[in-house]
Amino acid sequence: NAGVTQTPKFQVLKTGQSMTLQCAQDMNHEYMSWYRQDPGMGLRLIHYSVGAGITDQGEVPNGYNVSRSTTEDFPLRLLSAAPSQTSVYFCASSYSGTGELFFGEGSRLTVL
Amino acid sequence: GESVGLHLPTLSVQEGDNSIINCAYSNSASDYFIWYKQESGKGPQFIIDIRSNMDKRQGQRVTVLLNKTVKHLSLQIAATQPGDSAVYFCAENNRNQFYFGTGTSLTVIP
Repeated sequence: NAGVTQTPKFQVLKTGQSMTLQCAQDMNHEYMSWYRQDPGMGLRLIHYSVGAGITDQGEVPNGYNVSRSTTEDFPLRLLSAAPSQTSVYFCASSYSGTGELFFGEGSRLTVL
Repeated sequence: GESVGLHLPTLSVQEGDNSIINCAYSNSASDYFIWYKQESGKGPQFIIDIRSNMDKRQGQRVTVLLNKTVKHLSLQIAATQPGDSAVYFCAENNRNQFYFGTGTSLTVIP
């Protein structure tokens, strides 16, 4: 099993550009989520999904969109990148919303 | 919003000593708690978890204690080793949402 796979690992964007961070898991987990990690802020929940076709907002959803068309994939879209979105992004999955989270290795995004 | 805090941002311990990392949480409705370890440049790794109907849970060299009265969580690492050096996060779960603390950086001195 590959676990949780995130791509790309590194990305540099200019302000206003759009991009998608990909997340895939092969553990048949129903629950998937996206976090951003900033220095001194810990991990903050952006969006989460409890199953295919269902998404919901977390603590810091503004500027991000998600969709969950399959159990395996949970992409995170930045429609118009801003410097404030410079961060390390982590995707995580779990069998349910109340069980151990399995994290990907992270995607480091810089917005100039 | 949720508030999950850690009492100390950094902790240094001698190799072989026991380590204790503390965490305070704010939502009494949270029913599941996890400790994660994060090494530099990597994603968080699960250490141990505990549900709100328990006070203590033990794993290999680690113990988590939950005090619901004062909304406090602690992670105890026995016989700390250099490989334990990392940032440790606590997290609470409420209604399918995980809220993480800001982390404690543990340094093990050989």
